[in-house]
Amino acid sequence: GEDVEQSLFLSVREGDSSVINCTYTDSSSTYLYWYKQEPGAGLQLLTYIFSNMDMKQDQRLTVLLNKKDKHLSLRIADTQTGDSAIYFCAEGNAGNMLTFGGGTRLMVKP
Amino acid sequence: GAVVSQHPSRVICKSGTSVKIECRSLDFQATTMFWYRQFPKQSLMLMATSNEGSKATYEQGVEKDKFLINHASLTLSTLTVTSAHPEDSSFYICSARNLRGGMRTEAFFGQGTRLTVV
Repeated sequence: GEDVEQSLFLSVREGDSSVINCTYTDSSSTYLYWYKQEPGAGLQLLTYIFSNMDMKQDQRLTVLLNKKDKHLSLRIADTQTGDSAIYFCAEGNAGNMLTFGGGTRLMVKP
Repeated sequence: GAVVSQHPSRVICKSGTSVKIECRSLDFQATTMFWYRQFPKQSLMLMATSNEGSKATYEQGVEKDKFLINHASLTLSTLTVTSAHPEDSSFYICSARNLRGGMRTEAFFGQGTRLTVV
């Protein structure tokens, strides 16, 4: 079946850039999403990218997609302490089913 | 990683009937479970958050009498769609977390349930 993999943990200093990586296996993915989950809260959609795009920028967020390698990344510029959270990537295929990665915990140190 | 099992993966029901979806955490204690709904080609919408042994907290616009959530144990939460209508057809997904101390704060997702009401 489909598989989405993320590293578990990332630690950065405030003001630095964060890059969270994700790999997936389903070549029929049409949408790829990044969600943020703050402690005790549900998911918040941050951004998404269509599979026919290779980059999307939204303020401090940059999503890069390498469809050939099935690799997705989320770059957060000028990372702030409020960015500390768990970040999930997810891929959606033609059947609209979502498969999520296990989440990457981002810790931002002052 | 931890496993969350959601059942059934697909269900078709008639209008007016009720459907129960189960979400089980198989190898950890899920103190908190989240229920999401996804409309076609859209992202997830959080419906409600439930803590074990407490009443669920519903998001604005979600009818609590229509979407009954029970989280009676640390390993099981259920979502019952009552008196289902075709507009309830959607993809429902649960997420489970253990928020009792430690570093284990990841959320684990079920496989989702595709509900079709005819």
